[in-house]
Amino acid sequence: DSGVTQTPKHLITATGQRVTLRCSPRSGDLSVYWYQQSLDQGLQFLIQYYNGEERAKGNILERFSAQQFPDLHSELNLSSLELGDSALYFCASSVAPGLAARDTQYFGPGTRLTVL
Amino acid sequence: GQQVMQIPQYQHVQEGEDFTTYCNSSTTLSNIQWYKQRPGGHPVFLIQLVKSGEVKKQKRLTFQFGEAKKNSSLHITATQTTDVGTYFCAGPSGSARQLTFGSGTQLTVLP
Repeated sequence: DSGVTQTPKHLITATGQRVTLRCSPRSGDLSVYWYQQSLDQGLQFLIQYYNGEERAKGNILERFSAQQFPDLHSELNLSSLELGDSALYFCASSVAPGLAARDTQYFGPGTRLTVL
Repeated sequence: GQQVMQIPQYQHVQEGEDFTTYCNSSTTLSNIQWYKQRPGGHPVFLIQLVKSGEVKKQKRLTFQFGEAKKNSSLHITATQTTDVGTYFCAGPSGSARQLTFGSGTQLTVLP
């Protein structure tokens, strides 16, 4: 158990819908990262927050957004869902703000999203 | 942009055989990390290498970081069924603000 929690575990929805994925980092970790893992794309970095502020952005679609709240939990919002958005979404957390600090990232169990 | 390539994509070995996966970056890396993901699980951090030519061992696992800090390898001696999973290398992007993961090597160990 990494100490990172994600809910829900599974999510099945229809195209065009909007969903919210939730992540609670390990106690004491200030950074939260979101990744998408699909069969043909591997692990793709989406976005990072550090202590409530957006710190780095990867290949995140405009239909997707995220935020980190004062209690440090984070939510990833996916809207106008398409079939291709079906994937595993992982959240990871770390102590320090970024990789220059050589952070270890601790991954949560993931949310499996299926878009029908 | 930065690319991190990993080979092979798949590897099947008989239990007791050795296994190696290779990671190559298009750019010089300040450090490289290795993660393991068991089937149905999440990536778990294994190790980080920082110095040029660095070699680290964890029991049967040996990790190397190339002299030019653009490549790395993970070698498992005498594989066991518990080694099954996908092994990913990951390196910081040029801005050092995100990790670029390799495509992973999926290891199957046949009993």
